Amino acid sequence: EAGVTQSPTHLIKTRGQQATLRCSPISGHTSVYWYQQALGLGLQFLLWYDEGEERNRGNFPPRFSGRQFPNYSSELNVNALELEDSALYLCASSLGQGSYPPQHFGDGTRLSIL
Amino acid sequence: GQQLNQSPQSMFIQEGEDVSMNCTSSSIFNTWLWYKQDPGEGPVLLIALYKAGELTSNGRLTAQFGITRKDSFLNISASIPSDVGIYFCAGRSGNTPLVFGKGTRLSVIA
Repeated sequence: EAGVTQSPTHLIKTRGQQATLRCSPISGHTSVYWYQQALGLGLQFLLWYDEGEERNRGNFPPRFSGRQFPNYSSELNVNALELEDSALYLCASSLGQGSYPPQHFGDGTRLSIL
Repeated sequence: GQQLNQSPQSMFIQEGEDVSMNCTSSSIFNTWLWYKQDPGEGPVLLIALYKAGELTSNGRLTAQFGITRKDSFLNISASIPSDVGIYFCAGRSGNTPLVFGKGTRLSVIA
């Protein structure tokens, strides 16, 4: 069974540009979560999608947005990139929320802002 | 908001030693999870706990869900070099996003 897959592995952008990160969940998982992991820090929750709807949002500015597609894959979009957006962006997926199932992570997209 | 305090921040141990790390929360959780992250990879789920007092093992790893529901610990017995990495605790209360600790960086000296 394939795990959570993220693309691209690395992304280099300059300040002010826009970035799009993609995530494919484990087959059968309907929930997708996005986290930011800045160097030396823990994981900060960004967004949670389930069945195509945004369920919750972390304490990040509106220029961080995303969506979930009918096949449950997801995109994270970051507009007007700033230097402090440089981080590892991790996607996780889980089964539906009925029994608080554990989340399984992909290997992340390393976003570097020059 | 909810906060998790994870300790210690880092550990240097000899191969073969046992390891213990813990997390405490400012609020009650109904789920505790422990993950390990290797360099360049995403976190990998080690153990999931769902009931207060629950003690669960996964090979040399053992984790417990504290009775107060505000803490959890992870023990690793007889450490080996491949145990090196960053260990994260995570918890949630109800249908809310996971809250993560800042991690314990484990180094094993052969």
